[in-house]
Amino acid sequence: KAGVTQTPRYLIKTRGQQVTLSCSPISGHRSVSWYQQTPGQGLQFLFEYFSETQRNKGNFPGRFSGRQFSNSRSEMNVSTLELGDSALYLCASSEGAPGANVLTFGAGSRLTVL
Amino acid sequence: DQQVKQNSPSLSVQEGRISILNCDYTNSMFDYFLWYKKYPAEGPTFLISISSIKDKNEDGRFTVFLNKSAKHLSLHIVPSQPGDSAVYFCAARGRSSGDKLTFGTGTRLAVRP
Repeated sequence: KAGVTQTPRYLIKTRGQQVTLSCSPISGHRSVSWYQQTPGQGLQFLFEYFSETQRNKGNFPGRFSGRQFSNSRSEMNVSTLELGDSALYLCASSEGAPGANVLTFGAGSRLTVL
Repeated sequence: DQQVKQNSPSLSVQEGRISILNCDYTNSMFDYFLWYKKYPAEGPTFLISISSIKDKNEDGRFTVFLNKSAKHLSLHIVPSQPGDSAVYFCAARGRSSGDKLTFGTGTRLAVRP
């Protein structure tokens, strides 16, 4: 069974640009969560999707958005990038409804904003 | 507001000895706790968990202890191996269905050969 796949793995953007990150969950997994990892802050929850609906949202500005497609694949978008958005963005999937305890993470997309 | 705290950013242990990683939480509504391990260039992987109805859970070399009155949990690794060198994240979830998983800031464990 293929794991959680995130693309791209690495990308560099400049301030003011926007970025779209993609996540393909494990086959059969219907919940997808996104986390931001920065040094000293751990993993900060961004949002969770289930059946194409956002079920939970973290404390991030509106520049951060996401969506989930009918095949459970998910994308997140960050507009008007700021230097502080440089981070590792992790996607995780889980079976069943939101609130699952065990998440399977992808390797992440490392975003650098210059 | 960091509801899950790992106050030690790093820990170094000799191979064969015990590694103890600590985690404190502030939200009394948390009732399920997990530990994840993360190697460089990989996503975190689930290691072990414990429900609030228990105070100990063991899986091979890994044991998690929960002290609800102190809002504290710890992960013990015995014996520690060089392959255990990684960043360890503590995580917690509340009782309500759909509650998000809240992670700590992580502790980098280095096991010296």
